[in-house]
Amino acid sequence: DAMVIQNPRYQVTQFGKPVTLSCSQTLNHNVMYWYQQKSSQAPKLLFHYYDKDFNNEADTPDNFQSRRPNTSFCFLDIRSPGLGDAAMYLCATSRAVRAPEAFFGQGTRLTVV
Amino acid sequence: KNEVEQSPQNLTAQEGEFITINCSYSVGISALHWLQQHPGGGIVSLFMLSSGKKKHGRLIATINIQEKHSSLHITASHPRDSAVYICAAVFGNEKLTFGTGTRLTIIP
Repeated sequence: DAMVIQNPRYQVTQFGKPVTLSCSQTLNHNVMYWYQQKSSQAPKLLFHYYDKDFNNEADTPDNFQSRRPNTSFCFLDIRSPGLGDAAMYLCATSRAVRAPEAFFGQGTRLTVV
Repeated sequence: KNEVEQSPQNLTAQEGEFITINCSYSVGISALHWLQQHPGGGIVSLFMLSSGKKKHGRLIATINIQEKHSSLHITASHPRDSAVYICAAVFGNEKLTFGTGTRLTIIP
């Protein structure tokens, strides 16, 4: 059974139209991560939550926001998607930031038209 | 600086061949992951290693802590093994640092 679930698998949005990607987990892990992966590149960490504490990476654009209403769910909000935001967005979880084991979702491929 | 390098970047082989993908890292780590990503797909965790060797089916992962090097081997490769294989390291108390991946294509 999938333990980290991302919805939708594919999302098409219009340039400038806000979009929300969803991630849920059944592992009860404390930490949830959002990564952006552009074609042929390594995943790039955008931010992570440790419980309710939000940790933004220094170079994550302001256009990207996140919400974690409870342990199980975490959302990635893109306020005004640009063409350059088209990418695969990956959600991952771990017990703690220092825990070496990580579990990944299947990803959401975002297309901006 | 925490860095992870993989080689080769691209690898094409015939079905049945023994495959080796290499990963080296710059400083000491607490763990290393091997991940698989099929075209257009999400990431699947294959192995997490901190020492020695692990085997799962036709996949074998090894790590040499002294040499700061890990390898992923695929025996009796099959076209369904075609994917991008990513090495990711946990440096000390930092978050995952990813390599850029190795694109493997197995030709029938």
